[in-house]
Amino acid sequence: EAQVTQNPRYLITVTGKKLTVTCSQNMNHEYMSWYRQDPGLGLRQIYYSMNVEVTDKGDVPEGYKVSRKEKRNFPLILESPSPNQTSLYFCASSLSGQWAGELFFGEGSRLTVL
Amino acid sequence: KNQVEQSPQSLIILEGKNCTLQCNYTVSPFSNLRWYKQDTGRGPVSLTIMTFSENTKSNGRYTATLDADTKQSSLHITASQLSDSASYICVVSESDDYKLSFGAGTTVTVRA
Repeated sequence: EAQVTQNPRYLITVTGKKLTVTCSQNMNHEYMSWYRQDPGLGLRQIYYSMNVEVTDKGDVPEGYKVSRKEKRNFPLILESPSPNQTSLYFCASSLSGQWAGELFFGEGSRLTVL
Repeated sequence: KNQVEQSPQSLIILEGKNCTLQCNYTVSPFSNLRWYKQDTGRGPVSLTIMTFSENTKSNGRYTATLDADTKQSSLHITASQLSDSASYICVVSESDDYKLSFGAGTTVTVRA
């Protein structure tokens, strides 16, 4: 089954404790991206990747890091989480970043930073 | 800054009735416009994708329209069902790169 898988789905952590949210897709997609969703603000792009070893900042990259060492994985790293990073996070992938193709989303990861 | 504004913020309709959601955008240059459905606690799922040359596109009981001249789009839900209760998100893509601008969404509640 074609899918985008995120882990963990739920996480409660404390300020400053590094964490990684994993994202994996099994569709051989070139394009992957991370979003955060906050009430009233809609989805905002954090980082995106057009292909392996190619990443770029989205609209709200501060406090986040990403890597794209292999095509199927695109982890989101919070080196020193803060309470304002409490949010619902979505990973998404698409066949190509240059084409108006369908964007497939994961099921989301709800992060709470205390 | 490119913006996508959706209205209304929320609406309640009775099962079997129709409704129309609005999306106005300022994204330029424009590449395509998408409508997504997001069930509570789930990831968004694509309903339609339209390029500037397309005026209307349907997916079952969902029909999207696009007026690229006025930068407006609408999503019409026909004969609503309880399963249509969700948030509907309008997403506009720039043609220069793969930057996507998201609307805040319209929450639709269908009541029996």
